[in-house]
Amino acid sequence: NAGVTQTPKFRVLKTGQSMTLLCAQDMNHEYMYWYRQDPGMGLRLIHYSVGEGTTAKGEVPDGYNVSRLKKQNFLLGLESAAPSQTSVYFCASSSLSYNEQFFGPGTRLTVL
Amino acid sequence: KNQVEQSPQSLIILEGKNCTLQCNYTVSPFSNLRWYKQDTGRGPVSLTIMTFSENTKSNGRYTATLDADTKQSSLHITASQLSDSASYICVVSAASDYKLSFGAGTTVTVRA
Repeated sequence: NAGVTQTPKFRVLKTGQSMTLLCAQDMNHEYMYWYRQDPGMGLRLIHYSVGEGTTAKGEVPDGYNVSRLKKQNFLLGLESAAPSQTSVYFCASSSLSYNEQFFGPGTRLTVL
Repeated sequence: KNQVEQSPQSLIILEGKNCTLQCNYTVSPFSNLRWYKQDTGRGPVSLTIMTFSENTKSNGRYTATLDADTKQSSLHITASQLSDSASYICVVSAASDYKLSFGAGTTVTVRA
């Protein structure tokens, strides 16, 4: 039982490049979330999903897209990376909206 | 806007000593408050969760308190160990939509 896994762990992009971050959970959770964590700030919700095939915007969705084609996977895409997207990205999942969220280990992204 | 403020921003304590971290929030209507521990380079891990009717919750050497009237919470670490060195994040859930508001965290460094 791996819990929540994220790939890759680290990535360096040049401005304008695109990439996809993958999140996978093996707990059969309905809800999945993407957050970003920046120094001196709390985690901020980018996008979330309440079930397979559904996605919704969070607090800071601009510049990101997501897809939830399979219940266990939640993908975060950056179409044209910008230096302001340099951050640590965390994926999380929960069985219900008010239940504990389980976090992945994070992806450290640097955009030059 | 729902906000969560934590203090101090960071602290250093000697191994074996106790410390208390503070969390003030403005989230309304209130659903629950959680404390997470985040080790360097890892995702947050839940320590405690308290609902409106609970005013204290323990998890080993960690004890959280909640005063829903004053919208304050504290996390007390007893007999600190080197492994307690981490960031401790206060997270408040709103009853209206169960979205989470994250504090910026308190970084605790335990020295031998």
